[in-house]
Order: sequence, then structure tokens, then C-alpha cells
Amino acid sequence: KNQVEQSPQSLIILEGKNCTLQCNYTVSPFSNLRWYKQDTGRGPVSLTIMTFSENTKSNGRYTATLDADTKQSSLHITASQLSDSASYICVVRGRKAAGNKLTFGGGTRVLVKP
Amino acid sequence: SQTIHQWPATLVQPVGSPLSLECTVEGTSNPNLYWYRQAAGRGLQLLFYSVGIGQISSEVPQNLSASRPQDRQFILSSKKLLLSDSGFYLCAWSPPDREGYGYTFGSGTRLTVV
Repeated sequence: KNQVEQSPQSLIILEGKNCTLQCNYTVSPFSNLRWYKQDTGRGPVSLTIMTFSENTKSNGRYTATLDADTKQSSLHITASQLSDSASYICVVRGRKAAGNKLTFGGGTRVLVKP
Repeated sequence: SQTIHQWPATLVQPVGSPLSLECTVEGTSNPNLYWYRQAAGRGLQLLFYSVGIGQISSEVPQNLSASRPQDRQFILSSKKLLLSDSGFYLCAWSPPDREGYGYTFGSGTRLTVV
């Protein structure tokens, strides 16, 4: 069964500090992995997209890593800001053999405090 | 540029009443369209997807239905709402035949069935 597990479920960090979110998946065969940011009551917004051959990708203060061998990804937030408070969702897409389907993680809720 | 519109943003409906949520996409042709539901504190669940006018695939048995009367219009409906239909509904689109491209989500509709 295709699964995406994210950890931690939630975390609180002080403004200006760094944090790392984890995503482990079992989707196979794998096509790509996305990290989304979802503000409360809004739709998810894409941060990064990585394919099998990509190990790291950055978007401003967000840096995602991917280890396709261990089926793990991380999202690192540098110098956090209050506006980073949101849920971060890891989404994995399987190849056609896996039905081209997206499997969503449950998300990590981040709260940045001043 | 492509945009996706979803409305209404919030909706409170009594049990047994009908439902109609609308989603439209601009700036693209023949998009793949999706309806997702997000229960509180949980991941997104795919409800329906459509690859063309009149082509609807249902992912889970439920009280809801979807229709695509026009190329860039996707409608989520119910004849009689249940309490369990409460949740956050998201419409999304992706370009056709671009496996590696990210999904773009609408801003969501918060449905509360009372």
C-alpha cells in the first residue's frame, strides 16, 4: 500500500531559527515528490518538485532534499519568519504502474513564535 | 498565466440539503481536474478526477458526485448532504500529459453541515 508519513506532526520554533521536516514514503515505482505549504483555510501552494534524479532543490529559505534509495525527503526552513507558520505537506506521485496517483502525507503543522 | 477559481469560500448547509461547489480554470485547455477533501488534521483525499468533458472518475464511494459540463469547469454536487460531508474541499488542476508537473490548488471551500 502506498503511504507517505510525515514527522513531526507539529512543531513550535522561535523566529529566526531553523527547522527540518521529514517525509518517508513507500510509493513505488516513484515519479516525483512535492512539498506544499498550506496556510490555514487556504489551498496548498507548491514549494518544490523533485524527480528521481534530483537530490536537493531550493526555493528561497526552503530547501528540500530527496534520497530515493531510502525513500526519504526533508524540508529545511532557514531563518524562520512568522509567515512560515503553516502546514507543510509532502506529496508523492507514483509512475503509471502505480496508477499515476498522488499520495498525500498528513502534514506537519509549524508555528513560528516571535 | 493560468488561474483557478473556487467558490464559495465557506458554506453552512443543513443536513439533507443539496450542494453545488464550482471550480473553473483559466488560461489553459483540456486540464486534468480534481476534487479533494481534507478532514481536520488529516491528509487530502482524492474524491474525483476528470481528464475531459463528461469524463469523471470516482476514487471513493460516497454521497457526492462530480460533473464537468465544460472543458474548464468542474462541479461537486450532492442531492442530500450528510453530517459526514463536512470538511475542506479543494479543487485542483494539472496540465494534460505532463507527469512531472505540479498540481495547482484552488483556495478551498469550508463546508459545515449542521
